[in-house]
Amino acid sequence: DGGITQSPKYLFRKEGQNVTLSCEQNLNHDAMYWYRQDPGQGLRLIYYSQIVNDFQKGDIAEGYSVSREKKESFPLTVTSAQKNPTAFYLCASSIGDPGVAFFGQGTRLTVV
Amino acid sequence: SQQGEEDPQALSIQEGENATMNCSYKTSINNLQWYRQNSGRGLVHLILIRSNEREKHSGRLRVTLDTSKKSSSLLITASRAADTASYFCATDADRGSTLGRLYFGRGTQLTVWP
Repeated sequence: DGGITQSPKYLFRKEGQNVTLSCEQNLNHDAMYWYRQDPGQGLRLIYYSQIVNDFQKGDIAEGYSVSREKKESFPLTVTSAQKNPTAFYLCASSIGDPGVAFFGQGTRLTVV
Repeated sequence: SQQGEEDPQALSIQEGENATMNCSYKTSINNLQWYRQNSGRGLVHLILIRSNEREKHSGRLRVTLDTSKKSSSLLITASRAADTASYFCATDADRGSTLGRLYFGRGTQLTVWP
């Protein structure tokens, strides 16, 4: 089945730890995105990548890092510099313009 | 910010009634999309309307776009309990450079009671 897969579904992070969220797609899409969703605030763009080995900061990139070594994969690392990381993280991919987005099922990150 | 804003923030109706949600945005666009999100899940694309279109239908969904008012509406007819979800509008930006980037609103939480 074609789709976009995020893992894990739930993730717990201790203070000061870095954690990496996985996002894989087999849709052959060029563009991939990471969004953060907090209650009542909609989706905010963290990073996006339109091609392998290239990515751009979104609106809230501070405290996050990404890589795009393969077309299929776009992992997001939440670093210890992100002071309020508890949120629901959504990965998406799209092809072409206007860019209908296909979303994964999300990862809920909680700081403990 | 280009972010769209949905109105109302929450909507509660009975099964069989129609549900109307509105979206306003700030700058010119190439297209506007509507997405649905069930609680704790990812978003699912519902419908896309281009800036040169005024109305579009898909099953029980009807979307209108008024570029002069920078607004769109999503109408769900004959609603069902299974339509309970959050609905988001998303716009691109008519800047000709950022391929595929979308700007999402905060969503309308729709509850349909049996």
